[in-house]
Amino acid sequence: EVQLVESGGGLVQPGGSLRLSCVASGLTFTNYAMNWVRQAPGAGLEWVSGISGTGGTTWFADSVKGRFTISRDNSKNTLYLQMDSLRAADTALYFCAYYGGVDAFDIWGQGTMVSVSS
Amino acid sequence: QAVLTQPSSLSASPGASTSLTCTLRSGISVATSRIYWYRQRPGSPPQFLLRYQSDSDKQQGSGVPSRFSGSKDASANAGILLISGLHSEDEADYYCMIWHSSAWVFGGGTKLTVL
Repeated sequence: EVQLVESGGGLVQPGGSLRLSCVASGLTFTNYAMNWVRQAPGAGLEWVSGISGTGGTTWFADSVKGRFTISRDNSKNTLYLQMDSLRAADTALYFCAYYGGVDAFDIWGQGTMVSVSS
Repeated sequence: QAVLTQPSSLSASPGASTSLTCTLRSGISVATSRIYWYRQRPGSPPQFLLRYQSDSDKQQGSGVPSRFSGSKDASANAGILLISGLHSEDEADYYCMIWHSSAWVFGGGTKLTVL
């Protein structure tokens, strides 16, 4: 079964850190880019960050640049998002998304919730 | 001005056809942009519907029926998602997306009500 499973979300104070993980199964992980997309409560989708299949190239939204780091371990079929200096505005459901052979985010996880509050 | 602008809501009747628009900001040409469309039902992750660049460069999502199709309106600088034969289960939020300035950008989404 093709699936992405995110974990690592939770409640954190402003200024704190969290590391999200996304484990992939049933798909060709190594060759394709992976992305993080978030959705604040009651709001639309916002792309956060992406990483190439080899991990050699990364991209970030301006809203998280300098605070978030994306990485992947292809030997473990796992994607990570290290989130530092968290703000209330980072509160959202974080989805990982696979940019597969159809050149689109064609596989999504169920998401992991991050809440930033004192 | 937002990169992508979508109407916040739209209503249509079962069995009818409807068009959802995604207007690109002035200075970003729809002619050279690949437009992606996603559907999100409440409580579920987004689902890839299709991407459309031209009639010769398009891709339907896996299992997405042909009643979902893409096009462009060059005069309006907009991408269009056409849904024909509306079903009640088409009631959802619909998002467009493009790659712009080394970042993926989503539109604000259109809430489609089928009644």
